[in-house]
Amino acid sequence: DIQMTQSPSTLSASIGDRVTITCRASQSISSWLAWYQQKPGKAPKLLIYKASSLESGVPSRFGGSGSGTEFTLTISSLQPDDFATYYCQQYNSYSYTFGQGTKLQI
Amino acid sequence: QVQLVQSGAEVKKPGASVKVSCKASGYTFAIYDINWVRQATGQGLEWMGWMNPNSGNTGYAQNFQGRFTMTRNTSISTAYMELSSLRSEDTAVYYCARNRRGDRYFDYWGQGTLVTVSS
Repeated sequence: DIQMTQSPSTLSASIGDRVTITCRASQSISSWLAWYQQKPGKAPKLLIYKASSLESGVPSRFGGSGSGTEFTLTISSLQPDDFATYYCQQYNSYSYTFGQGTKLQI
Repeated sequence: QVQLVQSGAEVKKPGASVKVSCKASGYTFAIYDINWVRQATGQGLEWMGWMNPNSGNTGYAQNFQGRFTMTRNTSISTAYMELSSLRSEDTAVYYCARNRRGDRYFDYWGQGTLVTVSS
């Protein structure tokens, strides 16, 4: 299986900050990567697909980039609603795998 | 609007089986793959498998081959997962999630079902 490694595991930031979360794949996954946001007690929510495509309805302060083995999720100006845990997911192979998550906290 | 509504929480003893349902509405059930993903308390997301509701074809993550079964009833737009030989490590929230049509990321999720395995 393809392993996905996120960094950092925890990120402390303030309202208005620009933050970046990194996701690395153990082998090339082209651009077959999605990002999800999860809040406590809730299901994950799709933010980004195909590495850089913004899901409909997701604020434009969220952006994704990368290809191959290294990817980033950037939030350009943190809002109170953005404090959550973020997961990457590869779908290059039919055995999908998630990163371990990055908790974004105040 | 698209909705995936799962069955309620379950408490099971070690060695038992559990079956969780996922009822779809707001779209044509047969043409979007359904996946199952679990999350132990305080842990990350673990993909378990996918199913094509039209054909019934399935694919299982290696960790779940043998104990995990996905089925569906297209007449009531409902997918099911069954996990057998339960152990304490299977205590988790189980989610169903729909693939975006023609793609393999998850655009809609159920609300989750807590399965607790305890003697």
